Amino acid sequence: NAGVTQTPKFRVLKTGQSMTLLCAQDMNHEYMYWYRQDPGMGLRLIHYSVGEGTTAKGEVPDGYNVSRLKKQNFLLGLESAAPSQTSVYFCASSTQGGDEKLFFGSGTQLSVL
Amino acid sequence: GENVEQHPSTLSVQEGDSAVIKCTYSDSASNYFPWYKQELGKRPQLIIDIRSNVGEKKDQRIAVTLNKTAKHFSLHITETQPEDSAVYFCAAFYTGNQFYFGTGTSLTVIP
Repeated sequence: NAGVTQTPKFRVLKTGQSMTLLCAQDMNHEYMYWYRQDPGMGLRLIHYSVGEGTTAKGEVPDGYNVSRLKKQNFLLGLESAAPSQTSVYFCASSTQGGDEKLFFGSGTQLSVL
Repeated sequence: GENVEQHPSTLSVQEGDSAVIKCTYSDSASNYFPWYKQELGKRPQLIIDIRSNVGEKKDQRIAVTLNKTAKHFSLHITETQPEDSAVYFCAAFYTGNQFYFGTGTSLTVIP
């Protein structure tokens, strides 16, 4: 039981390049989330999904897209990376929304030059 | 929009002393308030949580209190140890399936 797995762990992009971050969970969780963490800003929600085939916007969705084609996977895409997207990205999942514990992945450090 | 404010942003205590971190939230419908600990370079880990029908919850040296009327909740760590040094985040679950996090408190326990 691996929990929540994120790939890659580190990535450096040039401005304008694209990439996809992969989040996989093996706990059969319905809810999945993508957060970004910046110094002094806490964790801010980018997009989330309440089940396979669904996605919704969070606090800071601009510049990102997501897909949840399979229940266990939640992909975060950057179509044209900008330096402002330099951050640590965390994926999380939970059995359902509401008062349920979030399980976090180990994070992806992304630098956009 | 929804908002969770957390104070202080940094906190230094002597080993053995207590540490208190406070958060306020804006949505009176929020019903779940977890606290996460994040060590340097690691993922956030849940350390304690409280639901809206409870005023206080304890787990060994850690306790959380909730005042729904005032819309604030606090984390209390007693008998602090060097391994308690980390960044602590509060969060509130809002209607609309979203957790909102505070901006974090960097706790340093001085041996």
